[in-house]
Amino acid sequence: GAGVSQSPSNKVTEKGKDVELRCDPISGHTALYWYRQRLGQGLEFLIYFQGNSAPDKSGLPSDRFSAERTGESVSTLTIQRTQQEDSAVYLCASSPNGMTGPWGYGYTFGSGTRLTVV
Amino acid sequence: GDSVTQMEGPVTLSEEAFLTINCTYTATGYPSLFWYVQYPGEGLQLLLKATKADDKGSNKGFEATYRKETTSFHLEKGSVQVSDSAVYFCALSDHNTGNQFYFGTGTSLTVIP
Repeated sequence: GAGVSQSPSNKVTEKGKDVELRCDPISGHTALYWYRQRLGQGLEFLIYFQGNSAPDKSGLPSDRFSAERTGESVSTLTIQRTQQEDSAVYLCASSPNGMTGPWGYGYTFGSGTRLTVV
Repeated sequence: GDSVTQMEGPVTLSEEAFLTINCTYTATGYPSLFWYVQYPGEGLQLLLKATKADDKGSNKGFEATYRKETTSFHLEKGSVQVSDSAVYFCALSDHNTGNQFYFGTGTSLTVIP
């Protein structure tokens, strides 16, 4: 597609419920990233996909968080047994080849999913 | 580890005022530096970048110079417009740490007519 698409744009869920957040990257982008932005804080890296595999899961905050990617395209971030501290904007980004060094291949970000856990 | 510290907001300026948003960084290697902008209701967009020391990135009247001696990448604009109202994020990516960005907390700018 023309840009990175995320759905839903807003999600309100009750504490303890599971949620799934979806990201459709730009067609042909091999790398896909998930970030989280909690109120008043910077973006936290969660996970990185190259193709369908995730060589870097270092940012996932707990085992309640998981992500998968299929067809080198759509990715789903799943949060189980949501807690109030999970409330944040979840941002997805994609890039052509996963390189973020001086070659300057900047990411393209989606508009994010605002998750509120009540 | 790598990190970015940027000026706390929110910042409110009158139209045509001079803007500076400070950003300093810590990195173990040779980072590239970026400013991203997020307009209301939109995704993050790359504003400008610099890939080595003394490089100046510029776009839409904004400028930032990569200063290795002060580990800084301050964002400046000589005359802001109402349409510049947005949240600005400083970020770095580092060869040594590969595939992710390290972002600052963001600075909200509101420009009033």
